[in-house]
Amino acid sequence: AQKITQTQPGMFVQEKEAVTLDCTYDTSDPSYGLFWYKQPSSGEMIFLIYQGSYDQQNATEGRYSLNFQKARKSANLVISASQLGDSAMYFCAMRGRGLTGGGNKLTFGTGTQLKVEL
Amino acid sequence: GAVVSQHPSWVICKSGTSVKIECRSLDFQATTMFWYRQFPKQSLMLMATSNEGSKATYEQGVEKDKFLINHASLTLSTLTVTSAHPEDSSFYICSAPRPPANYGYTFGSGTRLTVV
Repeated sequence: AQKITQTQPGMFVQEKEAVTLDCTYDTSDPSYGLFWYKQPSSGEMIFLIYQGSYDQQNATEGRYSLNFQKARKSANLVISASQLGDSAMYFCAMRGRGLTGGGNKLTFGTGTQLKVEL
Repeated sequence: GAVVSQHPSWVICKSGTSVKIECRSLDFQATTMFWYRQFPKQSLMLMATSNEGSKATYEQGVEKDKFLINHASLTLSTLTVTSAHPEDSSFYICSAPRPPANYGYTFGSGTRLTVV
């Protein structure tokens, strides 16, 4: 069984500062994918970044980077230069091996509510 | 590209009535659709997986007869909440694997259901 753990229910960060949102996972699959999504109050799920289990380098997408430590089974999201618009709920999710292609389902963590302050 | 359109965005219904939520893939074919439910300030919980042309697969604890899922075509999946009760009030959101790499997912915008 797969499990995603986010231990920070809420985080505060000052504008322009960097913030790290924690995510640890557990799986017996050798092949898996890790995702981070942002969910503003409107409810939409916004894809931020993806890391494959076999990727050698940490993923980066603009201000977002993923600190992937495979041995520790952690996939922390780092947001640099925080903006007020970054205030939202952030979910870590994992896709495990199963049917190739579109058959795999996502397991979500409990989320971290980020508040960016002036 | 790879847009999933979900309707309605919000709905209020009376107890005992049924509500249908639609998710359409606009510019790609979605052979699989995942349906999630999210209670306030909680995570997304997978309810079921629909596959075009076959029966949906439900997660443990989800009532098949209450949450009817139909995947009638490669571009349309529907979730019908039958005999809705106030405890069914929640945010329902669909998601499909996103082409071309199929490693990511595209989400609908969600439906906020309130049963009164």
